[in-house]
Amino acid sequence: KAGVTQTPRYLIKTRGQQVTLSCSPISGHRSVSWYQQTPGQGLQFLFEYFSETQRNKGNFPGRFSGRQFSNSRSEMNVSTLELGDSALYLCASSLARTASTDTQYFGPGTRLTVL
Amino acid sequence: DAKTTQPNSMESNEEEPVHLPCNHSTISGTDYIHWYRQLPSQGPEYVIHGLTSNVNNRMASLAIAEDRKSSTLILHRATLRDAAVYYCIPGSSNDYKLSFGAGTTVTVRA
Repeated sequence: KAGVTQTPRYLIKTRGQQVTLSCSPISGHRSVSWYQQTPGQGLQFLFEYFSETQRNKGNFPGRFSGRQFSNSRSEMNVSTLELGDSALYLCASSLARTASTDTQYFGPGTRLTVL
Repeated sequence: DAKTTQPNSMESNEEEPVHLPCNHSTISGTDYIHWYRQLPSQGPEYVIHGLTSNVNNRMASLAIAEDRKSSTLILHRATLRDAAVYYCIPGSSNDYKLSFGAGTTVTVRA
């Protein structure tokens, strides 16, 4: 079974631009979560989608948004990029049957550099 | 979210066991304890999870204290491939997000 795939793997943008990152979950997984990883803040939860609905959102500004499609694929968008948005963006998918025992499977991430 | 405390780093020799402690004194009675690890230049990967009793799988063992305020991840024979950051994460019965702390950086010496 194929793992979680993320595209692109690397991205360079300039301040003020916007960016869209894509995530394809493991087949059969209906939940997709996004995380941001920076050296200073570590791994931080952005949001989680299930059946095209955002169920949970982390403490990030409205410039960060996402969506999920009917095939469970997900995209996240960051508008008006700032230097501080430079980070590794990780996507994770899961079956989401029971929250307490749910196991998330992570992709390799998209490395975003904002110049 | 329950708070966790882990040592910043630990070192081990190859083929020796590694015991990674985690304190989670504010964990609720129904929250599982999950462990993930992140190898260099990769996304995190699931290691193991448990609720009250000790758990074993092909990767590791998880020993949970009787009062559930702490747990220990045990790598029975460390290999160079086990060098990673290990995260102890109390699960939630209400949502599907993982709240990562700083984790423990494990170095394995050949």
